[in-house]
Amino acid sequence: SQQGEEDPQALSIQEGENATMNCSYKTSINNLQWYRQNSGRGLVHLILIRSNEREKHSGRLRVTLDTSKKSSSLLITASRAADTASYFCATDPHSGAGSYQLTFGKGTKLSVIP
Amino acid sequence: DTGVSQDPRHKITKRGQNVTFRCDPISEHNRLYWYRQTLGQGPEFLTYFQNEAQLEKSRLLSDRFSAERPKGSFSTLEIQRTEQGDSAMYLCASSDMRAEQYFGPGTRLTVT
Repeated sequence: SQQGEEDPQALSIQEGENATMNCSYKTSINNLQWYRQNSGRGLVHLILIRSNEREKHSGRLRVTLDTSKKSSSLLITASRAADTASYFCATDPHSGAGSYQLTFGKGTKLSVIP
Repeated sequence: DTGVSQDPRHKITKRGQNVTFRCDPISEHNRLYWYRQTLGQGPEFLTYFQNEAQLEKSRLLSDRFSAERPKGSFSTLEIQRTEQGDSAMYLCASSDMRAEQYFGPGTRLTVT
């Protein structure tokens, strides 16, 4: 069953613009992860944010987490055509070392127009 | 390339046949996961190994599905008596003790 729900389902922007995707989930989590999937490289881990963190940055990526609202957002700044892909949030409810059983949402399909 | 590899990349089979997929994880990773992904959906967790021990298999879709990791290295996922509803992408991932999972390219199964 899918726990996360990404919003919007699809997003189309011009190169250079920022893209924001949201994820809502239902149960308590240990961490939340964002993955990217395109036909060329499969599913790739982007960034992880733990339940005691509120914001995290990695390059052009910024992730926020609001555990009180059970929601997260992924911001991609200065988008490039190569960012065109589907983006999934995945929740990990398990404490202790490492992830175990990730629950993915349905994804946001991002198209960046050159 | 030292990433996760899966074989075959595509499999077409007739309904009722058995199929087996192989996954080779990143060599230093002791955890291995299988997921299924259907069109328009995110990956759905199936099962998980730590070394050779299968620690979670309750999410396998039916008793027609089974997985092994005999020596704690590569893993196989078998589907017996395939049905058209089994058509999907089957993804393997591996990890060390950290949370990030590294996915293979997947095996696309088509059941005719």
